[in-house]
Amino acid sequence: SQQGEEDPQALSIQEGENATMNCSYKTSINNLQWYRQNSGRGLVHLILIRSNEREKHSGRLRVTLDTSKKSSSLLITASRAADTASYFCATDGETSGSRLTFGEGTQLTVNP
Amino acid sequence: DAGVIQSPRHEVTEMGQEVTLRCKPISGHNSLFWYRQTMMRGLELLIYFNNNVPIDDSGMPEDRFSAKMPNASFSTLKIQPSEPRDSAVYFCASSDLAGGRGAQYFGPGTRLLVL
Repeated sequence: SQQGEEDPQALSIQEGENATMNCSYKTSINNLQWYRQNSGRGLVHLILIRSNEREKHSGRLRVTLDTSKKSSSLLITASRAADTASYFCATDGETSGSRLTFGEGTQLTVNP
Repeated sequence: DAGVIQSPRHEVTEMGQEVTLRCKPISGHNSLFWYRQTMMRGLELLIYFNNNVPIDDSGMPEDRFSAKMPNASFSTLKIQPSEPRDSAVYFCASSDLAGGRGAQYFGPGTRLLVL
């Protein structure tokens, strides 16, 4: 079964608005990562948050991690049309043999 | 750095033919991963190498799939014989940390269509 599950499956917003995507997972993790995939392209690593961290920032991105709820969120502030992409969370589970397990992704559309 | 390089970018073949996908990881990265992405199953890890040694091949679908990493700068994924259900986008990724401990850098993918 998928370790990470993103919510919502699809999100459509206007340019300038904030976008929030959530990820839930089932087992204990070493770290959680977020990736972006533009249509027809490979995945691009955005941010990695370790299990002992609660929040991390990178430019317009803010990631939070709540290990008690086994959930993470990715916030993109002041969205741009270029942020249109699929966003995936991936977990490095403590018992997964050091493999990353990807969720099914959230398709974000930012309308100009 | 040129990033992870994959070839070919597109491959169309007929059922039963052999398909070989190639990957050159980022120089200095000692972990290499092969993934397959489909609409139905999402992104699946097929096999993972560390220091050229296969560590986890539990995702390889069946004996028709094989992967090699003869040196630190080259890996192949071979499908023989190919079947229509193998149609997917195959990604290679590399990392400077083992397993899922660090960021993975993905290539552009090979889009495979088996007729």
